[in-house]
Amino acid sequence: AQKITQTQPGMFVQEKEAVTLDCTYDTSDPSYGLFWYKQPSSGEMIFLIYQGSYDQQNATEGRYSLNFQKARKSANLVISASQLGDSAMYFCAMREPDGSGGSNYKLTFGKGTLLTVNP
Amino acid sequence: DAMVIQNPRYQVTQFGKPVTLSCSQTLNHNVMYWYQQKSSQAPKLLFHYYDKDFNNEADTPDNFQSRRPNTSFCFLDIRSPGLGDAAMYLCATSVTGGAMETQYFGPGTRLLVL
Repeated sequence: AQKITQTQPGMFVQEKEAVTLDCTYDTSDPSYGLFWYKQPSSGEMIFLIYQGSYDQQNATEGRYSLNFQKARKSANLVISASQLGDSAMYFCAMREPDGSGGSNYKLTFGKGTLLTVNP
Repeated sequence: DAMVIQNPRYQVTQFGKPVTLSCSQTLNHNVMYWYQQKSSQAPKLLFHYYDKDFNNEADTPDNFQSRRPNTSFCFLDIRSPGLGDAAMYLCATSVTGGAMETQYFGPGTRLLVL
């Protein structure tokens, strides 16, 4: 079963506008972490923002904020004041135990959303 | 700056000819990961090392092997590349118990199989 769902294959936004990229997740583990990564056409995965399952407040990092709704199991990324350089693929990922029985983790990624910022 | 380095950035190999991709890190992280990412798809974890402990994903083909001779270096060996192995290969690192256990990625190696 898919554990991370990104329903928007592609999104368009006008420069300087805000945009929300959707992410829903599924887990039975009470302790988990959610990440957003940006992947430009060059290929490197760039860490943007993190939300822990026990965090009381929504995470923010500069122009990035995470709209965390735990009961709905959603962790949407909000980018404010979009810039042309924000055009990239965005991946939502969840940290989950790696199955080895210890306290080790791995990331499961969603399929990504391709964001295009128009001038 | 501390970073994750992957060499080469682009690799061309022939069908069936063994190829090795390398990853090094100056972050002194104890965990290293290898992902395969095909065009327009999410990264797929192949295997990872916790220190020297190797963890293979159940669906990783036997054609893919890995070595980690020390903390800083990790190699991905593809013994007999097929056309379907053409992809971006991403290396990542993290530290156990570190802040959020965030994974930091290298720039990737694009593999082309002719």
